[in-house]
Parts: sequence; C-alpha cells; structure tokens
Amino acid sequence: SQQGEEDPQALSIQEGENATMNCSYKTSINNLQWYRQNSGRGLVHLILIRSNEREKHSGRLRVTLDTSKKSSSLLITASRAADTASYFCGGDDKIIFGKGTRLHILP
Amino acid sequence: GAGVSQTPSNKVTEKGKYVELRCDPISGHTALYWYRQSLGQGPEFLIYFQGTGAADDSGLPNDRFFAVRPEGSVSTLKIQRTERGDSAVYLCASSQTTGGANVLTFGAGSRLTVL
Repeated sequence: SQQGEEDPQALSIQEGENATMNCSYKTSINNLQWYRQNSGRGLVHLILIRSNEREKHSGRLRVTLDTSKKSSSLLITASRAADTASYFCGGDDKIIFGKGTRLHILP
Repeated sequence: GAGVSQTPSNKVTEKGKYVELRCDPISGHTALYWYRQSLGQGPEFLIYFQGTGAADDSGLPNDRFFAVRPEGSVSTLKIQRTERGDSAVYLCASSQTTGGANVLTFGAGSRLTVL
C-alpha cells in the first residue's frame, strides 16, 4: 500500500502561470500516479510514472519522480481556469491518497 | 458500459437505517475499489476486489461496513445501522489489473447523508 501526501495543501496562481505541486510517499513503489478531481466529481487519472522513469510529459503536464527521496512533482504549465481542481497522488495496487493539493487559477 | 456507474447518486437516510450502494464497473475490469470522501478531505480507501474476492478490506472502518462482488462485476457496499459520521461521498473505481500499471477509472460517486 502507498500513502501519498500532497503538498502544498492549497495553491492560488494567476492564469497563464505554471503550477507545481509535490507528493511524498513512504515505501518503495513500482509506479506513481496523479489524479485530478473537479469539485463534486470523481477523480480523473492524469499521468502515471514508473519507478525506472525520472520524468514524463503529457501535454501541459510534466511529472518527475525521485525514488531516492520518495517524492514526485507535478508541473502544470500555462495554467487555465479549467485546471482549478484538487490534485492527488498515489501508487501501486492499493492506492491511498492524501488530502490533495487544491489548485485555484485566478483570472 | 462506457464508464463506472454508481447508484444512487444521492441517498438520504435516517440514523440506524441500512443502506446499499451499488457500483457497475467498466466491463472487463477485474479490480474494483471503494473509497469514501468527506468534505475537504482526500478519498479514504475502504476495500478493493480482485475478481470476486476482497484482496484488501483493511480500510473498512468497522463491522457495520461490508462489500460484496459475487460475480466479479457489480459490487455493493452495505452499511448497517448508519450513523451521522457515515455521511460522505462514496466513490467506486475499477481497473484492468491490480499489478503493475493500475490506472483507476472512477465513478461520479454516491452522496450519502445520514440524518
């Protein structure tokens, strides 16, 4: 099982700026995933990074993984109003999420 | 179906009553997960199934909670003698495998309110 802990708890940035949020976990993983949750809805999978990868890109998303520090970061470039959501990380079979990072994009 | 379907979307019940929440996973997905989420919190893991069996039920908070998946597809989360603290959104997710890359597809959730 993996406990993902996201940081910061809340983040507000201007539209167009980049947003970075972090995830720490406690034990070794085979892969780590990031999910997004818009208010009142279910989570949506964003990106998965495997333990043998250091960086991965998907559109405006960039994920890094540092297995020596047991941490990951999610970068959203050129933020948009639609990116306003909560973001969660978790890994492997029994995916345990933290409290998430609440991202608010200001117009 | 095309996605994970959860019913009912909203359920209001009185303290002490019995409640069933249903999850229809994506066809062919062998793993099924239940989470519950309170306002402002992350999803709290409850249980996950691989096929018909519960692979891990360590997140169920007490013996009032029980989940089944008799045919390896639809799952029902059952809550007995509901308490006000059970009020939350109950999320279901399914995936194709529990090993390796295990990407979850979530339903929209069932909002339970216990009065």
